[in-house]
Amino acid sequence: EVQLVESGGGLVQPGGSLRLSCAASGFTLSDHYMDWVRQAPGKGLECVGRSTNKANSYTSLYAASVQGRFTISRDDSKNSLYLQMDSLKTEDTAVYYCVRGFHGMDVWGRGTAVTVAS
Amino acid sequence: DIQMTQSPSSLSASVGDRVTITCRASQNISSRLAWYQQKAEKAPKSLMYAASSLQSGVPSRFSGSGSGTDFTLTISSLQPEDFATYYCQQYNSYPFTFGPGTKVDIK
Repeated sequence: EVQLVESGGGLVQPGGSLRLSCAASGFTLSDHYMDWVRQAPGKGLECVGRSTNKANSYTSLYAASVQGRFTISRDDSKNSLYLQMDSLKTEDTAVYYCVRGFHGMDVWGRGTAVTVAS
Repeated sequence: DIQMTQSPSSLSASVGDRVTITCRASQNISSRLAWYQQKAEKAPKSLMYAASSLQSGVPSRFSGSGSGTDFTLTISSLQPEDFATYYCQQYNSYPFTFGPGTKVDIK
């Protein structure tokens, strides 16, 4: 079964850092483009960042709202994707989803909640 | 960034009704348009890609059409499990952007 499981969310103070993890199973992560999408409480969906696949050199793209603060990385040996979030702001509070970027965004994880508050 | 709009923002319908949701892009996105369904407190689920192609396992009562800037999602006969919020998304250029959503609830 193709599955994505996120972890690493929690409560962090403004200016702090958090690293989200996404463990993939049922497929080879390195073959696929991968995305991080977030949803603030009661709001719509926002693309945060995208990582191309290994064949395209794992190039990363970011939304303007997180550019310079968030970094996507991968560990092929663990079939995992990561989102390093630095200099967090209250407006980064959201559920963060790990998503496979195939035929649009075909497989979604359940999400992990991040709360930025003092 | 490409702006996506949807109409209506919400609708009330009965089981068996035909439902149509419209999505519009602020510029030409060819057919690079996807639709997602989200139920309360759950992750979105992919329904359709390339404007009119069903994801594997999605019932055939869902259909999509359009290209360029104007798109529609149609549910031919609404079922109890279809009450949810529906989002369109363009994946023509990054950042990919979503519409604000259409909430479908029970009449």
